[in-house]
Amino acid sequence: DVKVTQSSRYLVKRTGEKVFLECVQDMDHENMFWYRQDPGLGLRLIYFSYDVKMKEKGDIPEGYSVSREKKERFSLILESASTNQTSMYLCASSLSQGGYSNQPQHFGDGTRLSIL
Amino acid sequence: GQNIDQPTEMTATEGAIVQINCTYQTSGFNGLFWYQQHAGEAPTFLSYNVLDGLEEKGRFSSFLSRSKGYSYLLLKELQMKDSASYLCAVRDRDTGFQKLVFGTGTRLLVSP
Repeated sequence: DVKVTQSSRYLVKRTGEKVFLECVQDMDHENMFWYRQDPGLGLRLIYFSYDVKMKEKGDIPEGYSVSREKKERFSLILESASTNQTSMYLCASSLSQGGYSNQPQHFGDGTRLSIL
Repeated sequence: GQNIDQPTEMTATEGAIVQINCTYQTSGFNGLFWYQQHAGEAPTFLSYNVLDGLEEKGRFSSFLSRSKGYSYLLLKELQMKDSASYLCAVRDRDTGFQKLVFGTGTRLLVSP
């Protein structure tokens, strides 16, 4: 079974702090993703990485950066945390795929981040 | 861009059948996924459709009509543990084969 592990289930930080969220997958997947999930807005893609050191902005990258130094690990960084970044953050991974592939994304359990 | 619509909330009774609809608008449709997400947990993959028709997996089935931009997830013999959110997600070749666009999810409440 694919295992995607996020470093913390719950995290409380203060406004202005630099926050690191870590994600590790154990299935040698090329792709890794960071989403945030908010009520009524669903899952929104923050950043996507398709290989080590490669990244692509998602729909809402402002205020975030990412790092992928090793294939199994993808980090999300909040450079200067703000209260509007309070949310559930979900990491996912998947195999690299071409058209019509049925390979799903596999998700971690999420980190509920509160910025005070 | 993509637009994906699902009902916000549905209720059903244990033992019944429920159909959760998803409509989408994409310019380069390349597959539709359904996920289940229990409160506070990770979304888990349920089904994948890329061709028209019904895919059956035990109590769960998923249907796709590409010409109508429409899918549904059918849950039979509902159990209390089926209370969860159900997420519809679409892959669009115009945004790349690696990414999915998610609907806002349908929260299903199963009562005794």
